[in-house]
Amino acid sequence: DSGVTQTPKHLITATGQRVTLRCSPRSGDLSVYWYQQSLDQGLQFLIQYYNGEERAKGNILERFSAQQFPDLHSELNLSSLELGDSALYFCASSVEGRSNNEQFFGPGTRLTVL
Amino acid sequence: ILNVEQSPQSLHVQEGDSTNFTCSFPSSNFYALHWYRWETAKSPEALFVMTLNGDEKKKGRISATLNTKEGYSYLYIKGSQPEDSATYLCASFRGGKLIFGQGTELSVKP
Repeated sequence: DSGVTQTPKHLITATGQRVTLRCSPRSGDLSVYWYQQSLDQGLQFLIQYYNGEERAKGNILERFSAQQFPDLHSELNLSSLELGDSALYFCASSVEGRSNNEQFFGPGTRLTVL
Repeated sequence: ILNVEQSPQSLHVQEGDSTNFTCSFPSSNFYALHWYRWETAKSPEALFVMTLNGDEKKKGRISATLNTKEGYSYLYIKGSQPEDSATYLCASFRGGKLIFGQGTELSVKP
C-alpha cells in the first residue's frame, strides 16, 4: 500500500458524459501527478500540481481539467467523454515534485466509456 | 534519442537465471532516471531514482547502473524468482515531467 488513495476504482459511463476522479496523496506529500494508461500506450503524464498550483502539463486534452484543493487532495475532471478516453488513470504523489523525488502511485481508476 | 526506449520488450527466464534490461533516454539536459516495478493488477512501485553519472544502486537482488553521458541505464536481477515477474518501467525526468518507456515484461518460470 503506497498511501495514495483513488476513488472510484472502476467507472463505467457513456460517451458525452462527464466524470470526476479523486485522489488523496500520501500524508506529507505536496505534489500530485495524474497519468493515463491506455491499451496501446505507455504511462502518459497528464498534469502535476504542487501545493495547490499547477506545476507541469503534459499532453492533457482540453476536455480534461484538474485541480488540487487546500487539503491537498486532487480531482481530475473528464468531460465530453469519447470511447478513446477509456483507460486506467493513475494518481501519484511525491514530497516536493523535484526530479529526484520518488513518486508513489495509487491503485488507479479504470474508466470505461461505452 | 528523443524518447525513452526499453529493451527487450519481454523476457522469459527460468528461476535462478540472472537477467538484465536496458533503458535508453535523451542524454541532453539530464535530471533524473527512475525505475519502477509494475506487477499485474497493482500499481507501479518505485525501485530507484538515479541522478549522477556512474550511479549504481542496489535493493536486494536488483541493481541498476546509470550512464548519463551516453543516455542509458541497466537494471540487473540476480537469481530471478517467480515473484520478480512484473513489468519494469524506466522514466526520464525532463521538462518537469516523467517520460516513461514502454517497459520490459519479465516472466520467471519456476
